[in-house]
Amino acid sequence: NAGVMQNPRHLVRRRGQEARLRCSPMKGHSHVYWYRQLPEEGLKFMVYLQKENIIDESGMPKERFSAEFPKEGPSILRIQQVVRGDSAAYFCASSPREGEGTEAFFGQGTRLTVV
Amino acid sequence: KNQVEQSPQSLIILEGKNCTLQCNYTVSPFSNLRWYKQDTGRGPVSLTIMTFSENTKSNGRYTATLDADTKQSSLHITASQLSDSASYICVVTRLQGAQKLVFGQGTRLTINP
Repeated sequence: NAGVMQNPRHLVRRRGQEARLRCSPMKGHSHVYWYRQLPEEGLKFMVYLQKENIIDESGMPKERFSAEFPKEGPSILRIQQVVRGDSAAYFCASSPREGEGTEAFFGQGTRLTVV
Repeated sequence: KNQVEQSPQSLIILEGKNCTLQCNYTVSPFSNLRWYKQDTGRGPVSLTIMTFSENTKSNGRYTATLDADTKQSSLHITASQLSDSASYICVVTRLQGAQKLVFGQGTRLTINP
């Protein structure tokens, strides 16, 4: 059972371009979380999705950022018109369900560099 | 406000020594508390997870404690190894509501030979 897979591992974009980050959760996991980690800082919650539904996007910037988790395929975090401040590591985590004691597993992250 | 505070921010110890990392939280309603290890450039990896009824849990040389009354947790590392150099992150899960996983800023641990 492969772990949480994120791709690409590294992504370089020029200012104004779009960035698409992919996250394939562990097999059987229907809950996905996206986090952003700025250099030398902790992880910050962005969005929580279940299959085909956004449950909580309270950590997402109101503009340029969107996320989806379709019925088939990976979860996608999309950043439009990237700016230098978007440079960060973006981590995805998945879990099989909610509830006390449920484990969340993290991917290796996508490091976005905006030049 | 739901927050997780960790101390110290960074710590340097010699190989073979023990150390204890602290985590205080104000998250409610509480579901569970986890400690993660994050190596540089990698994703976090779970070390322990504790629910309300558990007050200690071990994973090899790592021992986590939880005092749900004072809302404090600690992670004790014994006989440290060079490979223990990493950031250790305390994460509290809310039972309901927005932002279910609340992360601490992490403690950056460096083990010197």
